[in-house]
Amino acid sequence: GENVEQHPSTLSVQEGDSAVIKCTYSDSASNYFPWYKQELGKGPQLIIDIRSNVGEKKDQRIAVTLNKTAKHFSLHITETQPEDSAVYFCAASDSNYQLIWGAGTKLIIKP
Amino acid sequence: EPEVTQTPSHQVTQMGQEVILRCVPISNHLYFYWYRQILGQKVEFLVSFYNNEISEKSEIFDDQFSVERPDGSNFTLKIRSTKLEDSAMYFCARMDSGNYGYTFGSGTRLTVV
Repeated sequence: GENVEQHPSTLSVQEGDSAVIKCTYSDSASNYFPWYKQELGKGPQLIIDIRSNVGEKKDQRIAVTLNKTAKHFSLHITETQPEDSAVYFCAASDSNYQLIWGAGTKLIIKP
Repeated sequence: EPEVTQTPSHQVTQMGQEVILRCVPISNHLYFYWYRQILGQKVEFLVSFYNNEISEKSEIFDDQFSVERPDGSNFTLKIRSTKLEDSAMYFCARMDSGNYGYTFGSGTRLTVV
């Protein structure tokens, strides 16, 4: 079955700098790769997603890249702000539409 | 798309008791899911529910767990005899029409004492 690895587990960046979180997946049949932001005490909120027929997608300060050959995808946040502090999860969806999650990255934005 | 609402937000129960977690309201989506997240750990898939039937379930989803859509709107997760290790956040999710993305509820924090 699918396995998703996420790194780093904690990332601390200066406000205004960029943050990059990386994930790898094992199942080449996976075709949907969402990123979720989870704030304390809340459910995961989708922030951006990408499908296997696209290499890159951008939404304002957030971008996701996908390398199908290497089976890895990354989340890029530019011009980080204090409100970006949260836990970020990557996930991969297999043919059964079941999400397999990464372990999460705690992003800390230092003022 | 309307939000996915879960009730209760927090449930404390004694070990061995039955709990029912609810996901409301539900529009006419076909795919629904339950996930759980033990404190500090990754989100884990429990079960997917398609067209009023279980389509996939994980090893976690044993005989103590069941799901129902009793009245075509609510979507429930029942744990028959809770154990301490069932303490976790439980999230309901739906698959969104059109883009096949997921929308998660705000979660129910289950504490088994």
